[in-house]
Amino acid sequence: GAGVSQSPSNKVTEKGKDVELRCDPISGHTALYWYRQSLGQGLEFLIYFQGNSAPDKSGLPSDRFSAERTGGSVSTLTIQRTQQEDSAVYLCASSLGVPGAYEQYFGPGTRLTVT
Amino acid sequence: AQKVTQAQTEISVVEKEDVTLDCVYETRDTTYYLFWYKQPPSGELVFLIRRNSFDEQNEISGRYSWNFQKSTSSFNFTITASQVVDSAVYFCALITGSNTGKLIFGQGTTLQVKP
Repeated sequence: GAGVSQSPSNKVTEKGKDVELRCDPISGHTALYWYRQSLGQGLEFLIYFQGNSAPDKSGLPSDRFSAERTGGSVSTLTIQRTQQEDSAVYLCASSLGVPGAYEQYFGPGTRLTVT
Repeated sequence: AQKVTQAQTEISVVEKEDVTLDCVYETRDTTYYLFWYKQPPSGELVFLIRRNSFDEQNEISGRYSWNFQKSTSSFNFTITASQVVDSAVYFCALITGSNTGKLIFGQGTTLQVKP
């Protein structure tokens, strides 16, 4: 079946602009996660959704970052007023149910470059 | 605090050698889950295995095997008869009952298998 998909695959934006990153989870997966991967920081958790609710937003680095999920499916991560330190690969993952009890499957990522 | 340590930053072996990737974790929770993921040069994280804290049985899958030892808080991964296609970055990760959906990753071990 289809895996997790993300769009765009690459995004170059100017400092100060807003960007939206999209994630389509595996069909039937109730849990959805956002992470980011950068050379200096490794893999960092950003936010976790169960259905349309976000029980854990503890990883969002600042109030410039927000995410939503609609219809228990697609999720959008929005970064406002982008900064150069936001440059990273943003990864989305989904799992069948409760975190831990089910493994997370990752998408290919969106590479964000802020110039 | 929860933490995952992969002390080996890079390992280089010659094809057909066996190689073990180390993973040490820290948590005070009694219920937790451990994972290994592979990130090949293409970039997509690939799930390899999940273990829960109540199951210390070692597991073998083809050339891959995992050794889980609670006494030393380790979850090591061995590749037998390595192949060039095994070249990738390997991540060990942890989820505990108290940190909801957050996968805590180690820094990763880059494995290079030379022909």
